[in-house]
Amino acid sequence: TQLLEQSPQFLSIQEGENLTVYCNSSSVFSSLQWYRQEPGEGPVLLVTVVTGGEVKKLKRLTFQFGDARKDSSLHITAAQPGDTGLYLCAGGAGSYQLTFGKGTKLSVIP
Amino acid sequence: GAGVSQSPRYKVAKRGQDVALRCDPISGHVSLFWYQQALGQGPEFLTYFQNEAQLDKSGLPSDRFFAERPEGSVSTLKIQRTQQEDSAVYLCASSPTGELFFGEGSRLTVL
Repeated sequence: TQLLEQSPQFLSIQEGENLTVYCNSSSVFSSLQWYRQEPGEGPVLLVTVVTGGEVKKLKRLTFQFGDARKDSSLHITAAQPGDTGLYLCAGGAGSYQLTFGKGTKLSVIP
Repeated sequence: GAGVSQSPRYKVAKRGQDVALRCDPISGHVSLFWYQQALGQGPEFLTYFQNEAQLDKSGLPSDRFFAERPEGSVSTLKIQRTQQEDSAVYLCASSPTGELFFGEGSRLTVL
C-alpha cells in the first residue's frame, strides 16, 4: 500500500507570513496533485506535477516535486485569510487511482 | 449544473438502515469515482467507473457497499445495514482525464 505522509498536520499563522507544507512517501509516484478543501466542500485541484524536480507557481503558491518523485512541497508566500483550508496531496501511480494524504489544516489569522 | 452534484448533502441513519447516495457528474465526463473521507482524514478510494463499467471496486470496505452507474451518467452508492463506522463524508468525483472534479459530498451519520 502506498502511503503519503503530510506535515505538519496543523498550522496556524498570522496573515503575511510565509509557510511550507510537506508531502512525503517511500513510494515513487508518476504524478502528484495538490488540492485545497474548505469545510463542507469537496477538494479543488490546485496543481499537478509529473516530472522529478518540477517547480510550478500559482500566484503566491509554489509547488515542487522531488527529484525522485517521492515527495513534494507547497510554499505559500505572504499568506492571506483566504488561504485557510485543508491542503491535500495525492499521488498517482497508475492510470486513474489516487492515494491521498491526511492533509495539512492551515489557519491564517487576520 | 456546471459541477458535480451530490444528494443528499446530509443523511442521518439508524444503525441497520439502508442508505442510497446519489452523484450527478459533469456532463460528458467518462470517469466517475467514489471516495470516503472520515473526520480528520484524507479521502480514501472506494470505486471507479468508466462509463457504465465498474472497473475497480477494490476500495469498498465490505459487501454491504454497492455502487452502480447503469447508464454511464448518474451513479448511486448504496450502503446496506449501516454501521457506526460507516459515518463519513462520501465524495463523488468525475473526470474527463486526469483532473478530478469533486462534488460537495454527502455527510452520513449513523446513530
